[in-house]
Amino acid sequence: DGGITQSPKYLFRKEGQNVTLSCEQNLNHDAMYWYRQDPGQGLRLIYYSQIVNDFQKGDIAEGYSVSREKKESFPLTVTSAQKNPTAFYLCASNTDYGRAYNEQFFGPGTRLTVL
Amino acid sequence: QQQVKQSPQSLIVQKGGISIINCAYENTAFDYFPWYQQFPGKGPALLIAIRPDVSEKKEGRFTISFNKSAKQFSLHIMDSQPGDSATYFCAARGRGSTLGRLYFGRGTQLTVWP
Repeated sequence: DGGITQSPKYLFRKEGQNVTLSCEQNLNHDAMYWYRQDPGQGLRLIYYSQIVNDFQKGDIAEGYSVSREKKESFPLTVTSAQKNPTAFYLCASNTDYGRAYNEQFFGPGTRLTVL
Repeated sequence: QQQVKQSPQSLIVQKGGISIINCAYENTAFDYFPWYQQFPGKGPALLIAIRPDVSEKKEGRFTISFNKSAKQFSLHIMDSQPGDSATYFCAARGRGSTLGRLYFGRGTQLTVWP
């Protein structure tokens, strides 16, 4: 099956800890994205990457870091600098911009809770 | 600054009724307008999408109406069913330096009563 996998599904973090959320896709997509979802806030973009070894900050990048060493993988690290990390995190990917309808596919999400 | 404004925040419709969700944008450079459907605990999934050179697109019970001059677009769900109960997000795609990224509305929680 082609798609996006995120792990773990649930993650608990103690204050002061860094945690890494995994995102893998086998769709051969160039672009990958990380969103944060909070109730009533919609989907807010954290980071995105359009090619390997390159990524850009989104609207709420503070306290987060990413890497893109492989086309299929885009892990997100939530650092201790992120003061309110409890949220639902979604990874997404899409094909190149040249297509008229380049659908953005989403993974199943990781729910992070700070204890 | 919210690039895409969505309303209402929540919507309750009786089974068989029409659900209407509205979105507005300011950036005329947006070139692709998708709607996503999300069930609790799941990732969003593309429902239907439209480009600005088309005024309407219909897929089954779902229709997007697009008004380029007013910079507004809306989702109509005909014959709404309890299984349509979900959160719906409109979005718009940027061009240029933000190639490919989507700007999302804040979502509408739809409840369809049986």
